[in-house]
Amino acid sequence: DAGITQSPRHKVTETGTPVTLRCHQTENHRYMYWYRQDPGHGLRLIHYSYGVKDTDKGEVSDGYSVSRSKTEDFLLTLESATSSQTSVYFCAIGRDNEQFFGPGTRLTVL
Amino acid sequence: GESVGLHLPTLSVQEGDNSIINCAYSNSASDYFIWYKQESGKGPQFIIDIRSNMDKRQGQRVTVLLNKTVKHLSLQIAATQPGDSAVYFCAERPGGYQKVTFGIGTKLQVIP
Repeated sequence: DAGITQSPRHKVTETGTPVTLRCHQTENHRYMYWYRQDPGHGLRLIHYSYGVKDTDKGEVSDGYSVSRSKTEDFLLTLESATSSQTSVYFCAIGRDNEQFFGPGTRLTVL
Repeated sequence: GESVGLHLPTLSVQEGDNSIINCAYSNSASDYFIWYKQESGKGPQFIIDIRSNMDKRQGQRVTVLLNKTVKHLSLQIAATQPGDSAVYFCAERPGGYQKVTFGIGTKLQVIP
């Protein structure tokens, strides 16, 4: 357990609404990541952060933004949710050469 | 683009037998490979890793083999148990970077 929590764990929203997912860590790690997981695809990186206010895009960043104002929190925002963003979202932290994952957030966009 | 993939989407094994899960990778720049286990409803969990300067690494009941010549990675689980039932992902990381590329996963079903 690397002290990672995600909130909410489940969310149902409507197309066009903004959504923010939160990842919280208790171990002060520098690297944090947001992934989405969909059937037929491996985990795909959305955005990652290498420090407070330091973020970069992953391979599927369109439609998503992130913010990291504190070491412990990494927020993922869907500015205007679409049905294609229905997915399970995982946050991870990087420690040494490993990534440790949170429990995931299941997001459904109707 | 380059990506990590798996040969078999589902693998069924008898309890007590050994399991072998295979993975092909294509990024010759990757110097670090990882296997993850994901149980239903949970996040992926690190199992074992291997660096590109090694061809074998053993853990508790698990062994990872790396064949750089054919860009192949495998995970061997000895004496497979019902608790091993899960989806297993291989992943690769290019040298010097934290970003990891994941395969689509293989589902391991253990038959009691």
